[in-house]
Amino acid sequence: KNEVEQSPQNLTAQEGEFITINCSYSVGISALHWLQQHPGGGIVSLFMLSSGKKKHGRLIATINIQEKHSSLHITASHPRDSAVYICAGEGTYQLIWGAGTKLIIKP
Amino acid sequence: EAQVTQNPRYLITVTGKKLTVTCSQNMNHEYMSWYRQDPGLGLRQIYYSMNVEVTDKGDVPEGYKVSRKEKRNFPLILESPSPNQTSLYFCASSPSRTGYYGYTFGSGTRLTVV
Repeated sequence: KNEVEQSPQNLTAQEGEFITINCSYSVGISALHWLQQHPGGGIVSLFMLSSGKKKHGRLIATINIQEKHSSLHITASHPRDSAVYICAGEGTYQLIWGAGTKLIIKP
Repeated sequence: EAQVTQNPRYLITVTGKKLTVTCSQNMNHEYMSWYRQDPGLGLRQIYYSMNVEVTDKGDVPEGYKVSRKEKRNFPLILESPSPNQTSLYFCASSPSRTGYYGYTFGSGTRLTVV
């Protein structure tokens, strides 16, 4: 069965801290998406990874295909980064969703 | 602006009264999908469409219908809504099924069935 497991479930940090969110996935998942869900509910795609590393501003996503593990890092975190971050794996005909990590950055 | 437009944003309805949530994309995307999001359960796929007139069930299709008569539109139909369909619904589209170029999501529809 295709599965995606995410950790931690909740994360609270101080402004400026380096943030890491982890995602492990099972066999059968060909690529990994990272998405951000704002407090208002909207969902935005951040990255799609099938290998290596991608960077956009203060966000960095990495994937290790052999270990079936991906991480999302946020450098110099800011209160506006507070959101739910979700990893989702590309299954055969659908995305396999992680449970999400609720991130709160305190000023 | 490239976007997925969902309407309405909020809807309160009564059990059994048919309703339609509309979803429209202006990016000529082939793949469209509907999800529901419930606390503690995350996002679950309801239906998806690979192209015009091609639709298929996701994980939780019971109580829902969809159609894809035009490439841009993918409405979600609840023929006889029940309280267990109270949820936050998202429509999403992608240029292709593989998601290589990522997904674009609508703003969500918060549905309450009383």
